[in-house]
Amino acid sequence: GQQVMQIPQYQHVQEGEDFTTYCNSSTTLSNIQWYKQRPGGHPVFLIQLVKSGEVKKQKRLTFQFGEAKKNSSLHITATQTTDVGTYFCAGPAAGNKLTFGGGTRVLVKP
Amino acid sequence: EAGVTQSPTHLIKTRGQQATLRCSPISGHTSVYWYQQALGLGLQFLLWYDEGEERNRGNFPPRFSGRQFPNYSSELNVNALELEDSALYLCASSLAPPGGGLFFGEGSRLTVL
Repeated sequence: GQQVMQIPQYQHVQEGEDFTTYCNSSTTLSNIQWYKQRPGGHPVFLIQLVKSGEVKKQKRLTFQFGEAKKNSSLHITATQTTDVGTYFCAGPAAGNKLTFGGGTRVLVKP
Repeated sequence: EAGVTQSPTHLIKTRGQQATLRCSPISGHTSVYWYQQALGLGLQFLLWYDEGEERNRGNFPPRFSGRQFPNYSSELNVNALELEDSALYLCASSLAPPGGGLFFGEGSRLTVL
């Protein structure tokens, strides 16, 4: 079955620095979605990418969908303490099952 | 507009018992999804309901079951509880599966002793 993998599993970032987290699917995706889960909270939908090579920005967050539609990345610039949480990517598998990656847990050092 | 609501917030059961978790989707959403999130881990797909029908289920044993009611609310039943069923159970709803994003509730924390 489809597998969605994210790296790194953990990301320790100094406040103010940039970082990127990556998402890879074993199959081609019709779309890729990103979610953020704050500690103790529930996942919150951030964005959906549909087109090959698509790039979308939300303030300091830049999301990219790979040309082959099998990978995606999330780049955060000038990390803030409010960025703490786990970032999940998710892609639809057969039967419209949305499969989530294992997540990247972001920890910010002030 | 109210978001996805789940009840109960916390539930403590013992091995062998049965648990029932409930979910009300965002008004107008017809699809409801259930995910299991064990402590510190990712989201594992459990069930998807749309228009009252079960459309897909994940790799979970048959003792995990559920249904969707005519008002699109849903319940998840877990029979013969085992210790490893302890987890956060998240319900999500969407307008049209699965594009456009899922909107999650706060979750129900199930503890099996």
